[in-house]
Amino acid sequence: DAKTTQPPSMDCAEGRAANLPCNHSTISGNEYVYWYRQIHSQGPQYIIHGLKNNETNEMASLIITEDRKSSTLILPHATLRDTAVYYCIVRVASGGSQGNLIFGKGTKLSVKP
Amino acid sequence: GAVVSQHPSWVICKSGTSVKIECRSLDFQATTMFWYRQFPKQSLMLMATSNEGSKATYEQGVEKDKFLINHASLTLSTLTVTSAHPEDSSFYICSATALDRLNTEAFFGQGTRLTVV
Repeated sequence: DAKTTQPPSMDCAEGRAANLPCNHSTISGNEYVYWYRQIHSQGPQYIIHGLKNNETNEMASLIITEDRKSSTLILPHATLRDTAVYYCIVRVASGGSQGNLIFGKGTKLSVKP
Repeated sequence: GAVVSQHPSWVICKSGTSVKIECRSLDFQATTMFWYRQFPKQSLMLMATSNEGSKATYEQGVEKDKFLINHASLTLSTLTVTSAHPEDSSFYICSATALDRLNTEAFFGQGTRLTVV
């Protein structure tokens, strides 16, 4: 079972920031928080990941609470092309056979004009 | 980012035939590739973990004799759906992790839509 809980759906106005929450209260010390998104009928796309510090890249920002039990993905200026299902996943740091991802139901983000 | 290519992107086959799906890492070496299946309006479900040069590890409930996985090189893994039936119709997706990176994101192929008629 997925170790995260996310709201099933969210709406966001185009040009506004989209803030997607995720709860991962049972996260272990060696587990990172990863975010992926899946646009309809495509493979998942990596967005960002982090351990305990906030992270930012060209796509998004990731805010992780101090106790690491929850996080928020922020898309600063959402566009219509950001409409997708967003998955928050926790997994161990190493790759190899431990690199599999367990997907929950995710949050369906709808960006509206 | 690294690129994972899946082929074909869609396929329609007759019931009882076999279908092979390829997953290639184009610009990196992948010791491990993962195969997922996604039914309509559902999330991705891991089917098996494929390690280069060894037998794949299947998740509970996934028939290894039906879903044959071969990972013969560091850049190619194949999934063969044998004796396909309509209930095997689904979206199949592979992912790969890079050999030389720890704490790495997984890279996904674009998926293969299989329709068995």
